[in-house]
Amino acid sequence: EAQVTQNPRYLITVTGKKLTVTCSQNMNHEYMSWYRQDPGLGLRQIYYSMNVEVTDKGDVPEGYKVSRKEKRNFPLILESPSPNQTSLYFCASSYHHRGGYGYTFGSGTRLTVV
Amino acid sequence: KNEVEQSPQNLTAQEGEFITINCSYSVGISALHWLQQHPGGGIVSLFMLSSGKKKHGRLIATINIQEKHSSLHITASHPRDSAVYICAVRSPGNQFYFGTGTSLTVIP
Repeated sequence: EAQVTQNPRYLITVTGKKLTVTCSQNMNHEYMSWYRQDPGLGLRQIYYSMNVEVTDKGDVPEGYKVSRKEKRNFPLILESPSPNQTSLYFCASSYHHRGGYGYTFGSGTRLTVV
Repeated sequence: KNEVEQSPQNLTAQEGEFITINCSYSVGISALHWLQQHPGGGIVSLFMLSSGKKKHGRLIATINIQEKHSSLHITASHPRDSAVYICAVRSPGNQFYFGTGTSLTVIP
């Protein structure tokens, strides 16, 4: 089944404790991206990647890191999480050409930083 | 700054009604997406448009590139259409910008 898999689905952590949220896709998509969704603000793009070893900042990259060492994986790293990073996070992927045809989202990761 | 504006924010309809959700954007785009998010959070891509009109079942999406405007129509609405509908645009530089969503409730 074609899908984007995020892990974990739920995570509660403490301020300053490094964490990684994993994202993997099995559709051979070039484009992958991370978003956060907050009440009243909607979805905002954190980082995106056009292909292996190519990453770019989105609207709200501060406090986050990403890497794209393999085409299928695009982990989101919070080196020192803070309470303002409490949010619902989505990973998504698509083909790069044709404007993002076949855009597929993961199921989301609800992160709470205390 | 709001690159993407949606209206209305909230919409309640009776089952069977024709529904329209509007999206206006201020940036250049390579494509526009309509997304659906059900309670529980999962997001599904309904349409990707770069011109004209697309139809899938009871859903129709249109885009007017010159006016920077898109509409999502639902014909013969049903309670299972109740969800948040989100307009998203992909810039030529491959960044995504999102509207804040339209919360639709369809009453039986």
